Amino acid sequence: EAGVAQSPRYKIIEKRQSVAFWCNPISGHATLYWYQQILGQGPKLLIQFQNNGVVDDSQLPKDRFSAERLKGVDSTLKIQPAKLEDSAVYLCASSLVSGSQVGEQFFGPGTRLTVL
Amino acid sequence: AQSVTQLGSHVSVSEGALVLLRCNYSSSVPPYLFWYVQYPNQGLQLLLKYTSAATLVKGINGFEAEFKKSETSFHLTKPSAHMSDAAEYFCAVSQTGANNLFFGTGTRLTVIP
Repeated sequence: EAGVAQSPRYKIIEKRQSVAFWCNPISGHATLYWYQQILGQGPKLLIQFQNNGVVDDSQLPKDRFSAERLKGVDSTLKIQPAKLEDSAVYLCASSLVSGSQVGEQFFGPGTRLTVL
Repeated sequence: AQSVTQLGSHVSVSEGALVLLRCNYSSSVPPYLFWYVQYPNQGLQLLLKYTSAATLVKGINGFEAEFKKSETSFHLTKPSAHMSDAAEYFCAVSQTGANNLFFGTGTRLTVIP
């Protein structure tokens, strides 16, 4: 079974530029998550999708971050314009179960973003 | 509100020695608790999870953790460290199962030959 795929693996941009990250979850996983992991910290949830609908985006900085999950499969996370403090690893995860069921989130390798 | 505190951002043990990584949680309802491991340049991998069944949970690679409600703790242990255990370990809590994971700041484990 293929894991969660993410691209690119690394990205370096200058502040005020825009950037986009792509995620392909495990086949059949209805729930998709985007996390931000700043160096020295644990991952922080940015947004959660259930199929192609947003379940939780309370911690997404909506003035500059946006995400979509068209057709309930692949997802794209965009930052426009980027700030220095956006330098982090962006992790995508997916899970089979949802709601109150206890399941496992499977994580991709992440995209390391450096903003100069 | 829910949160986890991982005591010790860095832990070093000798190969063959006991591994003990500490995690304390805060939750207003009975929590679900998880330990994840992250190897360099890789995503997180689930080691084990507590889901209100047995308080002693066994995971992969010889790791286990014990849920202690009175101490609000979920410490991770392994009897004998192996070089391949060197990684970063994250404790996480959820009040709703797989969703809404709140992660601790992580503990980097170094294994000394």
